[in-house]
Amino acid sequence: QQQVKQSPQSLIVQKGGISIINCAYENTAFDYFPWYQQFPGKGPALLIAIRPDVSEKKEGRFTISFNKSAKQFSLHIMDSQPGDSATYFCAADRGSTLGRLYFGRGTQLTVWP
Amino acid sequence: ETGVTQTPRHLVMGMTNKKSLKCEQHLGHNAMYWYKQSAKKPLELMFVYNFKEQTENNSVPSRFSPECPNSSHLFLHLHTLQPEDSALYLCASSQGLTFTGGKPNEQFFGPGTRLTVL
Repeated sequence: QQQVKQSPQSLIVQKGGISIINCAYENTAFDYFPWYQQFPGKGPALLIAIRPDVSEKKEGRFTISFNKSAKQFSLHIMDSQPGDSATYFCAADRGSTLGRLYFGRGTQLTVWP
Repeated sequence: ETGVTQTPRHLVMGMTNKKSLKCEQHLGHNAMYWYKQSAKKPLELMFVYNFKEQTENNSVPSRFSPECPNSSHLFLHLHTLQPEDSALYLCASSQGLTFTGGKPNEQFFGPGTRLTVL
């Protein structure tokens, strides 16, 4: 059973556009929701993360929107750039009781110049 | 060296070979992880070690044998693998397993070992 469901699988956006990736989870015990970015030949790296006590977190062009009642969260990339082209993974964790990340399947983002 | 390093970066082996993957973290962390990354699949957690002790084995076949001699080093010993074991094997580390001081533990990943089993 997949703990975190991510969509879309791939996304093509024009430079300057908004990229939106969505994730959903079932386990209400999750209390930490990070997004990881992975470039070819590299391991995933933490991009931005949110705890369920807030509905939005913004860092530069990257924003997480979190809907606790719907058990959904999404990543928005504003003013998308070709350098943002990478694979993005959402994840969920019960970090306060048991540190174990459950990852989504990933979204391959391509930003065309 | 900084962060999390993995060697080798690429490995091709036959089904009867025995090989080992090495991971080293230079971050002073106490927890280390092995993940398997296959095409179009979520990252699959394989093993978790905390203070050198294995805390999780995610139903991994016995042909994968982990070893954690200290908090900085993690090995994955491979023997009699199958072609479907071909994947990117990622090592990660974190300060601890659960939140530390109320803050989540970020996992830092290495670049991975691309394994091909012929």
